[in-house]
Amino acid sequence: GEDVEQSLFLSVREGDSSVINCTYTDSSSTYLYWYKQEPGAGLQLLTYIFSNMDMKQDQRLTVLLNKKDKHLSLRIADTQTGDSAIYFCAELYNQGGKLIFGQGTELSVKP
Amino acid sequence: DAGVTQSPTHLIKTRGQQVTLRCSPKSGHDTVSWYQQALGQGPQFIFQYYEEEERQRGNFPDRFSGHQFPNYSSELNVNALLLGDSALYLCASSLTGSYTFGSGTRLTVV
Repeated sequence: GEDVEQSLFLSVREGDSSVINCTYTDSSSTYLYWYKQEPGAGLQLLTYIFSNMDMKQDQRLTVLLNKKDKHLSLRIADTQTGDSAIYFCAELYNQGGKLIFGQGTELSVKP
Repeated sequence: DAGVTQSPTHLIKTRGQQVTLRCSPKSGHDTVSWYQQALGQGPQFIFQYYEEEERQRGNFPDRFSGHQFPNYSSELNVNALLLGDSALYLCASSLTGSYTFGSGTRLTVV
């Protein structure tokens, strides 16, 4: 089946770490993605990970992939108020062509 | 280097009308996909074009059609608009697993 699930809301204090979690269903997914969407805007690609990797780090962002549990997470270190947005997890379904998105996690960063 | 460009940014149409949305892919990308994002939801796949052919299609009716031109740019056409077609329409271009999205076209059907 095609299903990507995320929790809907996360609230953190400025300077703390944020962890956004996602589960997916297609065990043959080759790539998994994290996108950021600010109000009224399109999707900004934050990072993506190939399915043969367990971890990817890019400045303040760390992606962890657990293929056995089909679980993906995004950690944002030293979260800033500018990180407030909706974060979408997506998998590249069935060997390509179609991205399946979760419903998005709204991250609220309080000063 | 320009990313993915979509036009127009906003559009208001009446029920029953037809609309055409346009997308220019990121330089070097040869594949274009279209997504519909309803308010408060994640994007839903409409279809994908590669080498001017529709390669894959999501669960959208035939009222939704598209085209890809030799320069890789693409159009999305929606006929007989319904109120439920009101959404943000996103275009993504891709090359080897990297998918870049445009800022979208906000379509309102009244």
